[in-house]
Amino acid sequence: GAVVSQHPSRVICKSGTSVKIECRSLDFQATTMFWYRQFPKQSLMLMATSNEGSKATYEQGVEKDKFLINHASLTLSTLTVTSAHPEDSSFYICSAGGLNTGELFFGEGSRLTVL
Amino acid sequence: GQQLNQSPQSMFIQEGEDVSMNCTSSSIFNTWLWYKQEPGEGPVLLIALYKAGELTSNGRLTAQFGITRKDSFLNISASIPSDVGIYFCAGTPYSGGSNYKLTFGKGTLLTVNP
Repeated sequence: GAVVSQHPSRVICKSGTSVKIECRSLDFQATTMFWYRQFPKQSLMLMATSNEGSKATYEQGVEKDKFLINHASLTLSTLTVTSAHPEDSSFYICSAGGLNTGELFFGEGSRLTVL
Repeated sequence: GQQLNQSPQSMFIQEGEDVSMNCTSSSIFNTWLWYKQEPGEGPVLLIALYKAGELTSNGRLTAQFGITRKDSFLNISASIPSDVGIYFCAGTPYSGGSNYKLTFGKGTLLTVNP
């Protein structure tokens, strides 16, 4: 299947700093990527839909000014957690569509810990 | 909004046993997907289903798209310790593209005792 890669896989930062997470589609072009957040022992919660060349679409309750999404190319979307606080600590996962209908492939995930 | 009910929530089985889990939706889905997630990793796509009644296998895994379009199940035969993980169903009412949001079930945690 298609390969989606995230970086960094783990990041620890101080409260008040900003952190950028990258999501790359390695062997295909993705006009749309999705960003999820996952709490321990819970399912994936969709945060936003990242659209290449246009603004991201955020789910209800997700602060767009706090979670900045940029999809500047067909192979890269970035999620920036601005002014991070301990409650932002979570596992963030991106996904992108594959070549076949309906398939979504996920990155490895990025574990954010805010001290 | 759309909801997916996935059951069971967790399973503890012995190596060699067969496993079955299912998902039901409150509305019609036209695409069903099954994923496996291991600790600290992103979900990995196991099987994708696109037609009502479709039965698809991937090694020891078999999944079916319910004829009502509101359910799907995943079977794992002859389980082995490496089958341990959380299995998620996911679906969308859309078809013909991969840019649609998925609705996820809450997952089934599978533990296999050797």
